[in-house]
Amino acid sequence: DTGVSQNPRHKITKRGQNVTFRCDPISEHNRLYWYRQTLGQGPEFLTYFQNEAQLEKSRLLSDRFSAERPKGSFSTLEIQRTEQGDSAMYLCASSASVTSYNEQFFGPGTRLTVL
Amino acid sequence: ELKVEQNPLFLSMQEGKNYTIYCNYSTTSDRLYWYRQDPGKSLESLFVLLSNGAVKQEGRLMASLDTKARLSTLHITAAVHDLSATYFCAVVLYRSARQLTFGSGTQLTVLP
Repeated sequence: DTGVSQNPRHKITKRGQNVTFRCDPISEHNRLYWYRQTLGQGPEFLTYFQNEAQLEKSRLLSDRFSAERPKGSFSTLEIQRTEQGDSAMYLCASSASVTSYNEQFFGPGTRLTVL
Repeated sequence: ELKVEQNPLFLSMQEGKNYTIYCNYSTTSDRLYWYRQDPGKSLESLFVLLSNGAVKQEGRLMASLDTKARLSTLHITAAVHDLSATYFCAVVLYRSARQLTFGSGTQLTVLP
């Protein structure tokens, strides 16, 4: 399968615990994005990488959130001291800068439930 | 700040009918995207519209873009049940390689 993959697909955790999600983009894509989607809403941008550089972060990304893309391939998103408000679907997308239209392809998402 | 508004938010239509979903955005953009999302699933790319007057068609769906009016439409022709899903439009800032700003989505239900 050559699409974007995310793991785990589902995560249930207790409030105050740390969680980490992984995203593997399409192999030739150098751009990687994280979004968060809550029920009944469109996805909201969290952060963006070009290769290993994190170029932009949303105001939604509080100090409890950190994302990395150490070798410009896979990325991780960590949430520390989870809160119930963090419950959402976390979506990863990737795109290739060689195309002029930057079409983003989304992974299946990680659904986080904070109890 | 870029804002994207879709309407209607909910659409219930009978099979065989036609309808249009509208997407308005607030600032200059040269690219607009339409995605489909099935319940509990991720987003599937439908169309990328790159220029004023662009029109793309795939099956019973046709998307168009008017950059001067900052408006895109997704037209559904002779709807079938399989088209039931939530449809999102998304926009990037002009000449930006960065994030998509999504509308709230249109939840389409096609009734037999």
